[in-house]
Amino acid sequence: AQSVSQHNHHVILSEAASLELGCNYSYGGTVNLFWYVQYPGQHLQLLLKYFSGDPLVKGIKGFEAEFIKSKFSFNLRKPSVQWSDTAEYFCAVSSMDSNYQLIWGAGTKLIIKP
Amino acid sequence: KAGVTQTPRYLIKTRGQQVTLSCSPISGHRSVSWYQQTPGQGLQFLFEYFSETQRNKGNFPGRFSGRQFSNSRSEMNVSTLELGDSALYLCASSPRVAGQETQYFGPGTRLLVL
Repeated sequence: AQSVSQHNHHVILSEAASLELGCNYSYGGTVNLFWYVQYPGQHLQLLLKYFSGDPLVKGIKGFEAEFIKSKFSFNLRKPSVQWSDTAEYFCAVSSMDSNYQLIWGAGTKLIIKP
Repeated sequence: KAGVTQTPRYLIKTRGQQVTLSCSPISGHRSVSWYQQTPGQGLQFLFEYFSETQRNKGNFPGRFSGRQFSNSRSEMNVSTLELGDSALYLCASSPRVAGQETQYFGPGTRLLVL
């Protein structure tokens, strides 16, 4: 069965620090990759997605992610975080193997210290 | 377009009761997926409905059921509630067309079982 692993459950950074959240998946075939964000008290929102093409994907609010097929990874990055980036971040993967149902990582809680 | 709506937003029930949650997808979306979100377990997939048919199912007991109507609105039912069913129940809609599998989430229904 497919699985998605997010390396860090909690990350604490200061404002202006650079961010990288890890995401690895187990499926070897063609995948669709997603990062979602859940701000405190708000619903899950799509941050960015990769279906095909340029492996460097840009999303909303200055976030980007790079798909590295050889490493089965889709890490999320932001060069300079803000206090408002405090949220929980979820990586998800879908494929033909999962009948295109999303397989979710456990989430990473990000806290930005002002 | 209006987003995904879920009703009710909050619900308090007692053990043994049953509950019905409702989800209205984004106009034109034919797929509705349901998830259970808890602090300890993260996002757990319940089931997906597409054009009134259950397309995928997660590993939940038969007490959890759902259906979808011809207008794509979906309901989820939980019978014989247990304390462990306390969670945020999320609904997501998707066009479910090749290349358009992105899921868009509603605000959720927070269920508390006493």
